[in-house]
Amino acid sequence: QMQLQESGPRLVKPSETLSLTCTVSGGSISSNSYFWGWIRQPPGKGLEWVGSIYYSGSTFYNPSLKSRVTISVDTSKNQFSLKLSSVTAADTALYYCARQYRLLLPNWFDRWGQGTLVTVSS
Amino acid sequence: SSELTQDPAVSVALGQTVTITCQGDSLRNSYTSWYQQKPGQAPVFVIYGKDNRPSGVPDRFSGSSSGDTASLTITGAQAEDEGVYYCNCRDSSVNDPNWVFGGGTRLTVL
Repeated sequence: QMQLQESGPRLVKPSETLSLTCTVSGGSISSNSYFWGWIRQPPGKGLEWVGSIYYSGSTFYNPSLKSRVTISVDTSKNQFSLKLSSVTAADTALYYCARQYRLLLPNWFDRWGQGTLVTVSS
Repeated sequence: SSELTQDPAVSVALGQTVTITCQGDSLRNSYTSWYQQKPGQAPVFVIYGKDNRPSGVPDRFSGSSSGDTASLTITGAQAEDEGVYYCNCRDSSVNDPNWVFGGGTRLTVL
């Protein structure tokens, strides 16, 4: 059974860069059937797609975050990562990594990590 | 980018049928997936595509779509169905692949 696990600092200072890694176990990140995505959820609010990556390195970003987001993949470690620069309090959220089926629309997210709460505060 | 609109909250009596809707222009060109989120847990997808259920999801969950509106129906709602439901689809208003979520509908089973 595939599992995804987020890791990274839980507290980030304003204007700095948020960095998270998702480790995939129980399957290969190099599958041609999936994208690998990041979704976030501010406390008490709804889900927001942040971006997705294919194992080849092709990336897709939410237009509202595009100028600050970088998603990368390390197939040798079966991991993918999120960097969000110039963070503010508005970036405080529960960050989920998820597997996204790419071969059929609507490209659903079928496996999720447990999520990690990142707080932006000085 | 496109938006998906959901009613903030819906309630249903135990054992009755409830429909949760999701409206947006992108739904005219894309099927929807639906996710259930319970407090303190990650979302779980319950419907994908036209009307497909992942293994393990009870058959009381079904999906449908017409025009710019997608619907999730729970026939014979159970107490364990309480939670927040999100719709999600590919955003057709942009060229690059993008995905959007609805704002979520909180379902209360009375």
